Amino acid sequence: GQQVMQIPQYQHVQEGEDFTTYCNSSTTLSNIQWYKQRPGGHPVFLIQLVKSGEVKKQKRLTFQFGEAKKNSSLHITATQTTDVGTYFCAGRGGSEKLVFGKGTKLTVNP
Amino acid sequence: EAGVAQSPRYKIIEKRQSVAFWCNPISGHATLYWYQQILGQGPKLLIQFQNNGVVDDSQLPKDRFSAERLKGVDSTLKIQPAKLEDSAVYLCASSLVSGGLETQYFGPGTRLLVL
Repeated sequence: GQQVMQIPQYQHVQEGEDFTTYCNSSTTLSNIQWYKQRPGGHPVFLIQLVKSGEVKKQKRLTFQFGEAKKNSSLHITATQTTDVGTYFCAGRGGSEKLVFGKGTKLTVNP
Repeated sequence: EAGVAQSPRYKIIEKRQSVAFWCNPISGHATLYWYQQILGQGPKLLIQFQNNGVVDDSQLPKDRFSAERLKGVDSTLKIQPAKLEDSAVYLCASSLVSGGLETQYFGPGTRLLVL
């Protein structure tokens, strides 16, 4: 079945450093979504990418969808302590079922 | 706008007991999802409803899990009997499609501990 892999599993940065998490799917995706889950909280929708090669920005966050629609990335510029949490990608493949990656847990040292 | 409501927030039971979770989605959201999130992992889809019909329940362990969404609004998820490996957070989400884009809104979840 469809698998979505995320790397790295953990990332620790100093405040002000950049952060990137990568997502790879075993199958071509119709779209990919990104969520943020704060410690003890629930996933919160960040963005959805649909088009091949699409790039979207939300303030310090930049999301990319690969040309082959099998990979994606989330880049945070100049991290802040408020960025702490686990970032999940979730891909929708041929079955139309949304499959989540295991997430990248980001910690930020002030 | 009120968010997705879930209850209870926490539940501790012994193995082989039964448990039920309740979800009230955002008003007007036709699609409702139940996910299981085991510690350190991403949410795993258990079942998806479109109004009161099941769209996908391929990952629902049907020998012990059941879910219903009567009248296409509230939903309940039941586990009977529970096993130790069912300890997890059970998340309910509802979604809205606008302009071809779907946005899922998650509830706070029910944390289940099976002893």
